[in-house]
Amino acid sequence: DTAVSQTPKYLVTQMGNDKSIKCEQNLGHDTMYWYKQDSKKFLKIMFSYNNKELIINETVPNRFSPKSPDKAHLNLHINSLELGDSAVYFCASSQVSGLVTDTQYFGPGTRLTVL
Amino acid sequence: AQSVTQLGSHVSVSEGALVLLRCNYSSSVPPYLFWYVQYPNQGLQLLLKYTSAATLVKGINGFEAEFKKSETSFHLTKPSAHMSDAAEYFCAVANSGYSTLTFGKGTMLLVSP
Repeated sequence: DTAVSQTPKYLVTQMGNDKSIKCEQNLGHDTMYWYKQDSKKFLKIMFSYNNKELIINETVPNRFSPKSPDKAHLNLHINSLELGDSAVYFCASSQVSGLVTDTQYFGPGTRLTVL
Repeated sequence: AQSVTQLGSHVSVSEGALVLLRCNYSSSVPPYLFWYVQYPNQGLQLLLKYTSAATLVKGINGFEAEFKKSETSFHLTKPSAHMSDAAEYFCAVANSGYSTLTFGKGTMLLVSP
């Protein structure tokens, strides 16, 4: 009964490959996010979706493409992986508005390593 | 633009001692401020938030933080540290549209017996 789940937990791949990370929330929330946490633990928003619509895209390379098939799922597809993409990727969700006054609930993270 | 500075990448305390984690912010709008905790190999969890109500905010697990506008600070405290408090702590400030968070670089709290 995990609130926000991500798969896989670990992902090791070669440069140039394409990979996807899946996120699901069972909280009934309308807004979902992707964050990237680099090796220095710096955490930065990448995207947010509200009711399956993209509302925030923070100057992320277009090799990264989020997809929201329904409001409970927000997947992240990454094309042509680069070494600098190695990081921990967190999915999060919040209840209604997409405003930060709504508490964000984070998934456990996906550690991506690009070799 | 909004920014957050957390002083000290690591803070070490003994069990039972006062915990003080420092956060200073910069914001072009009335700030909304947050503290999150990240336990090893887990996602972030909200500890507490300030959204322009009382300046002393109480959170979970006995933590509290005080908003001081004159000092542009939002330091996190706990009177008595437990071993289970060992984790990474992130301060964050909302952007001008209150739609995203800018996080600090985190402070690792180490608790020794």
